[in-house]
Amino acid sequence: GENVEQHPSTLSVQEGDSAVIKCTYSDSASNYFPWYKQELGKRPQLIIDIRSNVGEKKDQRIAVTLNKTAKHFSLHITETQPEDSAVYFCAATLSGSARQLTFGSGTQLTVLP
Amino acid sequence: NAGVTQTPKFRILKIGQSMTLQCTQDMNHNYMYWYRQDPGMGLKLIYYSVGAGITDKGEVPNGYNVSRSTTEDFPLRLELAAPSQTSVYFCASSNKGDEQYFGPGTRLTVT
Repeated sequence: GENVEQHPSTLSVQEGDSAVIKCTYSDSASNYFPWYKQELGKRPQLIIDIRSNVGEKKDQRIAVTLNKTAKHFSLHITETQPEDSAVYFCAATLSGSARQLTFGSGTQLTVLP
Repeated sequence: NAGVTQTPKFRILKIGQSMTLQCTQDMNHNYMYWYRQDPGMGLKLIYYSVGAGITDKGEVPNGYNVSRSTTEDFPLRLELAAPSQTSVYFCASSNKGDEQYFGPGTRLTVT
């Protein structure tokens, strides 16, 4: 089955700096890669996603890049703000499956004021 | 739309007790999922369903059962609760697309 590894497990940045979280996946057939944000005690919420036919996608301060050859994908947050502090999870899913997500272990992002 | 709802929000069980975690979605989604999230960890898939009457095991199904008699409901049954089942349980749904919508979660403690 699919295996997703996520790094780093914790990340502290100064407000206004950029943050980068990286994930690798094992199954080259995976074709959909979402990122979820989870605030303390809350449900995961989708913040951005990318499909395997696209190399990069942006949404305001958030961007995701995908390198299919290396089986890497990354989340980039620019101009970080204190409200960006949360746990971020990457995930991967296979084409043609029941869209089961395999999640990474999460990154605790802390934005210091 | 209420989206995905789960009950109860919290529950404490004694070892060996049983319970059912309820999940309902009002978005007419075909795909539904149950995940567990242990402290400081990612989510692991317990069971999933691609439509009424169809269920299948995920990564960590042992100790759990599910049923899907309607499109809206996907209850998760714990039989003979064990301390290892202490976790936060999330239900999610998807409309054959990729985005999964999560419920608010049920925090379960087994002592």
